[in-house]
Amino acid sequence: DAGITQSPRHKVTETGTPVTLRCHQTENHRYMYWYRQDPGHGLRLIHYSYGVKDTDKGEVSDGYSVSRSKTEDFLLTLESATSSQTSVYFCAISETSGSNYNEQFFGPGTRLTVL
Amino acid sequence: TQLLEQSPQFLSIQEGENLTVYCNSSSVFSSLQWYRQEPGEGPVLLVTVVTGGEVKKLKRLTFQFGDARKDSSLHITAAQPGDTGLYLCAGNSGTYKYIFGTGTRLKVLA
Repeated sequence: DAGITQSPRHKVTETGTPVTLRCHQTENHRYMYWYRQDPGHGLRLIHYSYGVKDTDKGEVSDGYSVSRSKTEDFLLTLESATSSQTSVYFCAISETSGSNYNEQFFGPGTRLTVL
Repeated sequence: TQLLEQSPQFLSIQEGENLTVYCNSSSVFSSLQWYRQEPGEGPVLLVTVVTGGEVKKLKRLTFQFGDARKDSSLHITAAQPGDTGLYLCAGNSGTYKYIFGTGTRLKVLA
């Protein structure tokens, strides 16, 4: 199994509070991703990173920010959590290949509930 | 906006039956992947298809990429309870960036 951990695994918070989720990898992969998973929507990309301090927005980035100061860590921050951000959050990693596609390895997920 | 629609959304079948799951889009993808996800875990890659018309087999699972690279199908022969899970397709929407389908939740009854 790819070495990806997410913390915390479960969190309950209140509307308006800041929340930071952490993704840590031991694979030294270049690319890291944050997705959210909601019923009927599959996985939706929030933000991704293509290197240290290099990040870009995904399809549902509003209300989220990210930071990557080290290869192994990718942080997702909800500046002021809302109930619509209740979801399961997955981190994924991938590495450069000879083509423009590659395999993503996913972490175990973080279940976030915003009351 | 690129979208991937999967059908059916839910499927419950008896062990030994065959089934097909579809992944459709109006957009062209340079590659398409299929993942399986079990409860409480992250998705795991099953296959990547790259060429229009390509067919790949993984034991009892057959994957096909449409000729126009806008759609794909997953066919399972003689389904087993171990095939139960959420199946997700994902299209390559940019270099190392993907759009995921809406998912098909499969339950195979013993």
